[in-house]
Amino acid sequence: EDKVVQSPLSLVVHEGDTVTLNCSYEVTNFRSLLWYKQEKKAPTFLFMLTSSGIEKKSGRLSSILDKKELSSILNITATQTGDSAIYLCAVTTGTASKLTFGTGTRLQVTL
Amino acid sequence: NAGVTQTPKFQVLKTGQSMTLQCAQDMNHEYMSWYRQDPGMGLRLIHYSVGAGITDQGEVPNGYNVSRSTTEDFPLRLLSAAPSQTSVYFCASSYSPPSGVYNEQFFGPGTRLTVL
Repeated sequence: EDKVVQSPLSLVVHEGDTVTLNCSYEVTNFRSLLWYKQEKKAPTFLFMLTSSGIEKKSGRLSSILDKKELSSILNITATQTGDSAIYLCAVTTGTASKLTFGTGTRLQVTL
Repeated sequence: NAGVTQTPKFQVLKTGQSMTLQCAQDMNHEYMSWYRQDPGMGLRLIHYSVGAGITDQGEVPNGYNVSRSTTEDFPLRLLSAAPSQTSVYFCASSYSPPSGVYNEQFFGPGTRLTVL
């Protein structure tokens, strides 16, 4: 059975700190790993990482895929209160017609 | 483009009642899916569809039915609501299935369902 584990479950930091969120996976025939940010409502897409695109960056957010370690990290530098959200990691495979989600990391950024 | 829309936003049902959660997308996406989100459980797939007329079960299909008569619409039916179905329901769509290249999922705003 495909499995995605995120850590930590929750995190509280001060504005300006740098945070690293972790996602590890055990799946058959890995295809891609996706990061989503969920504030109050629907998850919104951040990054997709594949074998041909193992590093992505957008502003203060960046993500790396480590295919050897079967994991990914999401880095947020100079955090702001607007970064407070649940960050979800999901994995797709070459055969399954679904995303497998982790339980998410709840990030709270305080002043 | 409205993206993915869901109705209603909130719903309270009594045990045994039935209802349909509506989902529509205007992006001409072939793949659509329904998830439920419960505290500490992440998003779990209920049913999905790879195109009009084709549906299949996800991880937690019991108590739910779906149909896909058009590309745009993918309603989720609760046959006989139970308190265990209290959850937040998200509909999502993507251009290709998760195994494909263009598999970024776009999510609707969600329906918060309470079953008493």
